[in-house]
Amino acid sequence: GAVVSQHPSRVICKSGTSVKIECRSLDFQATTMFWYRQFPKQSLMLMATSNEGSKATYEQGVEKDKFLINHASLTLSTLTVTSAHPEDSSFYICSASEGGRYNEQFFGPGTRLTVL
Amino acid sequence: DAKTTQPPSMDCAEGRAANLPCNHSTISGNEYVYWYRQIHSQGPQYIIHGLKNNETNEMASLIITEDRKSSTLILPHATLRDTAVYYCIVRVVNAGNMLTFGGGTRLMVKP
Repeated sequence: GAVVSQHPSRVICKSGTSVKIECRSLDFQATTMFWYRQFPKQSLMLMATSNEGSKATYEQGVEKDKFLINHASLTLSTLTVTSAHPEDSSFYICSASEGGRYNEQFFGPGTRLTVL
Repeated sequence: DAKTTQPPSMDCAEGRAANLPCNHSTISGNEYVYWYRQIHSQGPQYIIHGLKNNETNEMASLIITEDRKSSTLILPHATLRDTAVYYCIVRVVNAGNMLTFGGGTRLMVKP
């Protein structure tokens, strides 16, 4: 089946620093990638949708200047949390879709971000 | 996308069938029913999807009522590793369509 990886799996950083999270589709080309955020004991919340080579579309309430998304190729999307603060601590999950008839989404394993 | 309603939690004995219900009374004719699950601290895993016919794969069976207003995911022989949050999602299948996750059902499989 389709495999999506994320790196790093967990990261701890100081407040004010920036953190980059990578999402890769390993065995397929992803026309669309999605970034989700999940706080403890809550469901996944979509942050943004990105298509290769174009600007990401952000959900309401998500600051595009704080959460920078780059989808430079059909196998790689990156999410950069700029000037991270403790309230940005969360579980960040990406998913990738190759299109096709059912436009399936395949999820990465997630990245646990802790901002001190 | 139509909203779904699921019980917040369920228990199931190991080896027994787990039947997880989902209500989607406002589903549109072109919306599919998808099921995903999320094991603790992992990304969601696709289980199965269907439009109106019942579906079965190696993981589970999906039973959709004739009026399509509800469905049931069946794990025929639940194991401890099936303990997870199960999400029922209805969505239109087209390019770029995202998934909207509700609260899901936390299934606890007990020995």
